[in-house]
Amino acid sequence: DIQMTQSPTSLSASVGDRITISCRASQSISIYLNWYQQKPGKAPTVLIYGASTLQTGVPSRFSGSGSGTDFTLTISSLQPEDFATYYCQQRYNVPITFGQGTRLEIK
Amino acid sequence: QVQLQESGPGLVKPSETLSLTCDVSGGSISPYYWIWIRQPPGKGLEYIGFVYYTGTTNYNPSLKSRVTISVDTSKNQFSLKLASVTAADTAVYYCARDVGDSSSGSNWFDPWGQGTLVTVSS
Repeated sequence: DIQMTQSPTSLSASVGDRITISCRASQSISIYLNWYQQKPGKAPTVLIYGASTLQTGVPSRFSGSGSGTDFTLTISSLQPEDFATYYCQQRYNVPITFGQGTRLEIK
Repeated sequence: QVQLQESGPGLVKPSETLSLTCDVSGGSISPYYWIWIRQPPGKGLEYIGFVYYTGTTNYNPSLKSRVTISVDTSKNQFSLKLASVTAADTAVYYCARDVGDSSSGSNWFDPWGQGTLVTVSS
């Protein structure tokens, strides 16, 4: 199985801050990396697929980059609705695996 | 717009079989892959497996011996059975559709159902 490791696992930030979340795969997964946002009590929703393609309707303050084993999710200017948990997911092969999540909290 | 809705018992006794159904509305079961994912309380996401509309399946090796996922195209729904459950199977269970972008070859889960909490307890 491909192991996905996110860092940090938790992060405190303020509205307006720029933040970056990292995701590392245990082997190369090309660009087959997705990012999801999950708010408390809700199902996850996709933000970015293919490492860097923004899902329709997702604000442009979200961006993704990387290929191979190292990926990043950046939020350029945090908004109050962005405080949530973020997961990376590899779609290179099965079993599909997720990172452990990064909880983004208000400072 | 496609919507998914999980249904099934919220309480299952240890050693019994967990059974859930995901109803697909607003779209057809074909020609997609359909996914089950779970999330223990306060923890991360775990892929359980998928079923293609033709009935082809794939299961997470960690659960493979206990999992069965099936599809009923006539009812526009798919199902999950997890046998011999223990307290470790207590989780919110989500169903989702797998969609893709042919130009990049990427796939992702969208949409997801709202999730249903299944508690394993006597």
